[in-house]
Amino acid sequence: GNSVTQMEGPVTLSEEAFLTINCTYTATGYPSLFWYVQYPGEGLQLLLKATKADDKGSNKGFEATYRKETTSFHLEKGSVQVSDSAVYFCALRLNSGYSTLTFGKGTMLLVSP
Amino acid sequence: SAVISQKPSRDICQRGTSLTIQCQVDSQVTMMFWYRQQPGQSLTLIATANQGSEATYESGFVIDKFPISRPNLTFSTLTVSNLSPEDSSIYLCSVSEPQETQYFGPGTRLLVL
Repeated sequence: GNSVTQMEGPVTLSEEAFLTINCTYTATGYPSLFWYVQYPGEGLQLLLKATKADDKGSNKGFEATYRKETTSFHLEKGSVQVSDSAVYFCALRLNSGYSTLTFGKGTMLLVSP
Repeated sequence: SAVISQKPSRDICQRGTSLTIQCQVDSQVTMMFWYRQQPGQSLTLIATANQGSEATYESGFVIDKFPISRPNLTFSTLTVSNLSPEDSSIYLCSVSEPQETQYFGPGTRLLVL
């Protein structure tokens, strides 16, 4: 089956620190990969995505590269801000028909001033 | 991008009652999904609701407990029936076209006493 594994949280960082949130996946086919972010009290927002191997998704200073050889899609940011405090979800979706998202468990990020 | 609204945004209900959640989208969409997010947990897909067909439920979710309507391409309802404290969760509506970005509503926060 399809599954997504994320690093356990919370991840606690000081402002301007470097962020990495690990994500690995297993899939029965060829997936697209996504990072969604959930700010406190809100729904999910798409942060970035990559649809094929070696693609790099980027948005708001966040980046993630689709690594087929390691089945990974790690999220990185060079300098986090307090406003980045949120829960981050890695997800996959098979590139076929009416497929839906499979989510990881989410990783909470807490950034202190 | 699709703009999704949900009503109510939150509710407190007594056990044994039911709650109907509405999801409205600002454009016609093919696929609508309902997810549950239990406290501190990831998202679990309840069902997929495509207009003109019966909702498709995921393992562990049944129509008697979670009846869904999809009367047109911009609207859906999810009812959570015979409420128990274990139903306390955030319920999220999501929409997508096949193989396109999946968007999420702000969620409905349900507390069952």
